[in-house]
Amino acid sequence: GAVVSQHPSRVICKSGTSVKIECRSLDFQATTMFWYRQFPKQSLMLMATSNEGSKATYEQGVEKDKFLINHASLTLSTLTVTSAHPEDSSFYICSAVVGGHGYTFGSGTRLTVV
Amino acid sequence: AQSVTQPDIHITVSEGASLELRCNYSYGATPYLFWYVQSPGQGLQLLLKYFSGDTLVQGIKGFEAEFKRSQSSFNLRKPSVHWSDAAEYFCAVGGDTGNQFYFGTGTSLTVIP
Repeated sequence: GAVVSQHPSRVICKSGTSVKIECRSLDFQATTMFWYRQFPKQSLMLMATSNEGSKATYEQGVEKDKFLINHASLTLSTLTVTSAHPEDSSFYICSAVVGGHGYTFGSGTRLTVV
Repeated sequence: AQSVTQPDIHITVSEGASLELRCNYSYGATPYLFWYVQSPGQGLQLLLKYFSGDTLVQGIKGFEAEFKRSQSSFNLRKPSVHWSDAAEYFCAVGGDTGNQFYFGTGTSLTVIP
């Protein structure tokens, strides 16, 4: 149980276009989701926290107008990278809070901007 | 300040040898501790977690970790490493439900035949 499905797993897009990444909780309601970014050979860095029905909370240095997060339902949170540039190429991963003290991660999205 | 330190950036072990990956944390409240593994190009897989109770925690794939509050450590161990264990390992600390994780920088494990 407690599975988060993240799509797409890999995406290549042209510079200047936008890309949407979805994280969907399959068998539970995810009130809170976290979005992380991972550069090659580095650890995961929290980008933002999304709560269902309210605005996301962004970490310092993360451009909220560039990385749009929507958490409109208890089972779906989306991250849209707007006007993507090559420096946005990275591994993006979401996690959801499950029940008492559980957390589960999506499988990640490898974004390449060309 | 909350933080996680994994002192070893890269470790190489022979197949069949024992393994210990170090993790030290700093957290202002009761810590919930986790170890995750990430294979190349893949997402994160939870190996084990500690919330409370027995300080020696058993996880999947034969891994275990021991929580030592006095040393603020949560080291990961495996008695006999397999070639398939080669991956990146992340230690993480979190608080109550709804709080974010703080990840260490990871330890890259290479297993040689």
